[in-house]
Order: sequence, then C-alpha cells, then structure tokens
Amino acid sequence: SQTIHQWPATLVQPVGSPLSLECTVEGTSNPNLYWYRQAAGRGLQLLFYSVGIGQISSEVPQNLSASRPQDRQFILSSKKLLLSDSGFYLCAWSSLAQQETQYFGPGTRLLVL
Amino acid sequence: QKEVEQDPGPLSVPEGAIVSLNCTYSNSAFQYFMWYRQYSRKGPELLMYTYSSGNKEDGRFTAQVDKSSKYISLFIRDSQPSDSATYLCAMSARNRGSTLGRLYFGRGTQLTVWP
Repeated sequence: SQTIHQWPATLVQPVGSPLSLECTVEGTSNPNLYWYRQAAGRGLQLLFYSVGIGQISSEVPQNLSASRPQDRQFILSSKKLLLSDSGFYLCAWSSLAQQETQYFGPGTRLLVL
Repeated sequence: QKEVEQDPGPLSVPEGAIVSLNCTYSNSAFQYFMWYRQYSRKGPELLMYTYSSGNKEDGRFTAQVDKSSKYISLFIRDSQPSDSATYLCAMSARNRGSTLGRLYFGRGTQLTVWP
C-alpha cells in the first residue's frame, strides 16, 4: 500500500530564516505531487505541483520554491520566511491512473515569529 | 464568485442524528467529486469519490451529485462522536489526456457530534 510522509511535523522559525520541508511517498512510482497550504478559515491553497522529476509548476507567486530531486521526493523551500508564511503545509500525491484523486500526508505546522 | 462554495458551519448535532453537508459549484466542467474528512491538526483523508451524477453509498456515508443544479451533498447516518471533524468537498474537471488532476476545494464544514 502507498504511504506518504512529511517532516518535520511542527516547526517554529524566526522571520527571515530559511525553510526546508520534505515529503516522500512510498509504494507507488511516478506520482503527481502537490504542495498545499491551509490557513485558518481560508481552505486549501495549491502552491506547487509536479508531474515528474525536475518538473515544477507554481500556482501562486511567493517567496517559496519547490524541488523534486527524486521520483518520490518533494521539497518545499524558502530562503527568507515571512510572517505570512505561517500555516499548515500539506503534501499530496495522485497516481497517473486516477489523477483526480489526491491523498494527503500528515502535514507540517509552521509558525513564523 | 468562488468556484466551490461550502458553508463553514460550525454544525453541531446530537449522536445518532442524520447530518447533511453540502457544496455548490459554478464550473459545469467538473465531473469528479470528492469528500475529505480532516481531523484537527491532521491531513485530509479521502472519504468518498464520485464520478458524474448520482449517488454512492459506503456504510453510514452517502454522497450525492446533482450536476444539473451544480450541487453535491454528503449524508452521514447514525452520526457518532468520532465523526466530529471538518469535511471538505473537492472537485476536478480533468480531461482525458491531461497530466494533472487539479482539485478545487471548498473551505470545509466543521462538524461536532455530541454524545
């Protein structure tokens, strides 16, 4: 069966510090991968998606970036965090056969102070 | 107008009640409809998946899609305290040959079932 991991689970960072969040998927090959942010009362916002290694599409202009160095690894980064980057970050995957069905990881709660 | 509208609640019901959760949408191209359940401080969990119009039942849960009205519903029968969570609707208009199943989410409805 497929599993998706995210770490860290919780992170408290000062404004201006760098960020690296990691997501890995097990039990599937060549998944589509997604990064979402969930802010309180604002629903899920798609940040990035990837259909293959090195292929990243950005949905929203911001100070975040994403990379996919391996088939089942997806990384969300920032060089300098802003207060507005606080939120709950979720990684998700979908298969090629059923791309509209996404499965989410446990999430990373980020607080920027 | 947002593509997907969902009343955020909160909704509070007694144990054993029938719960009705709803979403409306504006894009007639949507053809895949999902319901996710999200417990506090956890990632969303896929609960129900429906293609096109009609009903789908899974245990105490029934998903309904009315494409003519652009309206979807999730019914929970014999609700339990363990059903207390936020329920998110999601939709997709993926076309054959597309490489991406982009989802459009509602904001979620917070449900509390009290014993």
